Amino acid sequence: QKEVEQNSGPLSVPEGAIASLNCTYSDRVSQSFFWYRQYSGKSPELIMSIYSNGDKEDGRFTAQLNKASQYVSLLIRDSQPSDSATYLCAVKNKDTGRRALTFGSGTRLQVQP
Amino acid sequence: DADVTQTPRNRITKTGKRIMLECSQTKGHDRMYWYRQDPGLGLRLIYYSFDVKDINKGEISDGYSVSRQAQAKFSLSLESAIPNQTALYFCATSDSSTGGGNQPQHFGDGTRLSIL
Repeated sequence: QKEVEQNSGPLSVPEGAIASLNCTYSDRVSQSFFWYRQYSGKSPELIMSIYSNGDKEDGRFTAQLNKASQYVSLLIRDSQPSDSATYLCAVKNKDTGRRALTFGSGTRLQVQP
Repeated sequence: DADVTQTPRNRITKTGKRIMLECSQTKGHDRMYWYRQDPGLGLRLIYYSFDVKDINKGEISDGYSVSRQAQAKFSLSLESAIPNQTALYFCATSDSSTGGGNQPQHFGDGTRLSIL
């Protein structure tokens, strides 16, 4: 089982719709959760971070965390073609042996004009 | 200017050659990381350094070595390159003084490495 799992996609949504991206993680002691956006051939760019159960909103983006279910999601409202990219979920564990981020393989989002 | 600078941006070389990828940062962060990215496999950690004297192996360190020359500089070496090390390599930094240890990482623009 991968430590951080994402559906590779592509997830295709029409312009203006809500895109829902999901991520599950295997390590229950994970503490910090991040969503990165990566355009093809470019570097990952931080979009959101979330540390506590519940929702966190930033503009059109909402991150949702459910530690009991080991599940974190990213909602993108009013999706735009410029949102088309790969979205990477990353998880941080405080244990001594895991002091760096573990990334999922990413979900490719396509927003259709 | 970019806060995290990687050089070179692209490199094509032959099997068996020694290669060094360099990363420098002006963010003042103490922690630095090297990742490689392959299609369908996401980002995989090669090495990370929490300060100049603290260097740790990641999940795929075999065939690689690193040097933290200063807080701002972290280089990755391939002693004898092989074709399956062809990938996109990213350097990243983070700041341990913020976020109570929950700090995000910030990435350089990447180095595209091809080994023939």
